[in-house]
Amino acid sequence: KNEVEQSPQNLTAQEGEFITINCSYSVGISALHWLQQHPGGGIVSLFMLSSGKKKHGRLIATINIQEKHSSLHITASHPRDSAVYICAVKGGTSYGKLTFGQGTILTVHP
Amino acid sequence: SAVISQKPSRDICQRGTSLTIQCQVDSQVTMMFWYRQQPGQSLTLIATANQGSEATYESGFVIDKFPISRPNLTFSTLTVSNMSPEDSSIYLCSVMLRANSYEQYFGPGTRLTVT
Repeated sequence: KNEVEQSPQNLTAQEGEFITINCSYSVGISALHWLQQHPGGGIVSLFMLSSGKKKHGRLIATINIQEKHSSLHITASHPRDSAVYICAVKGGTSYGKLTFGQGTILTVHP
Repeated sequence: SAVISQKPSRDICQRGTSLTIQCQVDSQVTMMFWYRQQPGQSLTLIATANQGSEATYESGFVIDKFPISRPNLTFSTLTVSNMSPEDSSIYLCSVMLRANSYEQYFGPGTRLTVT
């Protein structure tokens, strides 16, 4: 079993739909990152969480440390949101390495 | 935050040759990392680039294959040596501004194809 599991692996939505991507992890962490990777390969850091909830525009990220689970929500999805979304956890100290999930491929159709 | 640029953004190389990838950051950073993402796979840490000393490599990666330089706090290079088609990947530079920070930033990546 991978240390970081994402679901679903693939997600197709119609423009305007509410989207949820889930991330579960099995190790103790100091922080969790949500990353976005576009087809060109570059990665953008969306959120870094150690507790609670963060919101940026149409994106919302939550984390439940007790349940070792995080979710990324996209409200009013748009075709430009089409990308790979990656969950990554950082180990017990700030020097800890990032462990990455396999990514969720999101396609939003107009 | 940190703005990271990488050169080249993509390249197609012949097997047996070497390619050097550059990573430039717009501010001094404490830690710089190099990652590889093979097709359809998640990111794998190659090494931590240390300023003024040899890089720290992860299991499965060696200096002869992936020599790394970090001459100062804003710049690093990764060389992929004696390339084979299995080296076809996206190579990403990543930084942490401070050693005690949880925030980590990623570069745009270099897409390498080896024929």
